[in-house]
Amino acid sequence: NAGVTQTPKFRVLKTGQSMTLLCAQDMNHEYMYWYRQDPGMGLRLIHYSVGEGTTAKGEVPDGYNVSRLKKQNFLLGLESAAPSQTSVYFCASSQIGRGVHEQYFGPGTRLTVT
Amino acid sequence: TQLLEQSPQFLSIQEGENLTVYCNSSSVFSSLQWYRQEPGEGPVLLVTVVTGGEVKKLKRLTFQFGDARKDSSLHITAAQPGDTGLYLCAGSISSGSARQLTFGSGTQLTVLP
Repeated sequence: NAGVTQTPKFRVLKTGQSMTLLCAQDMNHEYMYWYRQDPGMGLRLIHYSVGEGTTAKGEVPDGYNVSRLKKQNFLLGLESAAPSQTSVYFCASSQIGRGVHEQYFGPGTRLTVT
Repeated sequence: TQLLEQSPQFLSIQEGENLTVYCNSSSVFSSLQWYRQEPGEGPVLLVTVVTGGEVKKLKRLTFQFGDARKDSSLHITAAQPGDTGLYLCAGSISSGSARQLTFGSGTQLTVLP
């Protein structure tokens, strides 16, 4: 049982390049999330999904797209990377328990855009 | 403006000391969670509190949810170097979607041996 996994762990992009971050979970969770973490800013929600085939915008969605074609996978895409997207990206998944979504996080992807 | 304000932002103490970190908001939360994050890893859930005034204990860690469900505290007794990490509080807004959590900016705790 691996929980939540993310690939890649590190990536360096040049401005304007594109890439896709992959998140996979093996807990059969309905909900999945993408966050970015910047110094002094905590975790900010980019996009989330409440089930296979669904996606929704979070707090900071601009410049990112997502897809949830399979229940266990949640992809985050950057079509044209910008230096402002340099950050650590975390994926999480959750299931309802007592109406509360307790989230399980992956190890993160450190992205640098030059 | 952070919806959830955590204080202090940084805390460095000696092994064996006690400490309290705070999580405050002007909003009412239906539930509040505390996570700990170690360098190079994702946050790990420590506890969830859902009832105003609720107190939960996890070994040397004591979590309290304010009576009005607008604030929370984490108290660590006899801190150990293994407690070092970034402590994050996260809440679900009562009027919002329980699917989303709002995170505070965190308290970076360092426990020196």
